[in-house]
Amino acid sequence: GNSVTQMEGPVTLSEEAFLTINCTYTATGYPSLFWYVQYPGEGLQLLLKATKADDKGSNKGFEATYRKETTSFHLEKGSVQVSDSAVYFCALSDGGSNYKLTFGKGTLLTVNP
Amino acid sequence: GAGVSQSPSNKVTEKGKDVELRCDPISGHTALYWYRQSLGQGLEFLIYFQGNSAPDKSGLPSDRFSAERTGGSVSTLTIQRTQQEDSAVYLCASSLGVPSAGNTIYFGEGSWLTVV
Repeated sequence: GNSVTQMEGPVTLSEEAFLTINCTYTATGYPSLFWYVQYPGEGLQLLLKATKADDKGSNKGFEATYRKETTSFHLEKGSVQVSDSAVYFCALSDGGSNYKLTFGKGTLLTVNP
Repeated sequence: GAGVSQSPSNKVTEKGKDVELRCDPISGHTALYWYRQSLGQGLEFLIYFQGNSAPDKSGLPSDRFSAERTGGSVSTLTIQRTQQEDSAVYLCASSLGVPSAGNTIYFGEGSWLTVV
């Protein structure tokens, strides 16, 4: 079946540090890949997405590239801010079950000033 | 209300009671989803509606769980005879089309259920 594995948290960084949150997946077919973010007290929000191999999703300074050869979709940001503190979820939508999102367990990021 | 709206935002109920959770999707979104978020289990898919039909109920944990959608809009998730393991955040989401085609799924803020 489909699965998403993302790095265990929590991750604690200082402001302006470089961020990487690793995400790898197992899926049949050709999945679409997503990063969702959940800020404290808020619902899940789509951060970025990529629908085919070698696509790069980007938003708010975050980027992730769909790597089919390594089945990965790592999230990166060059300079994090305190306001980026949140839980980040990697997810995939498999073409075989095209409505269901399979999520990773989430990574808590805390950015200190 | 531009977003997905859920009610109640918090619910504390006694074990054995029934609860109803409501979801009002974004207007015009034909696809509606329920997920459950709990500690240790992450986010679990529960059910998917296309219009008023539910082609996939495979994620519902037991026959105590049911959901319906009327008028292609509002959905209700019902949990009968609640148990403590039902305590979780129940998330509703909606979208114009399926995510595998690159459509964005929009989530509500969730209904936090505590069974005591």
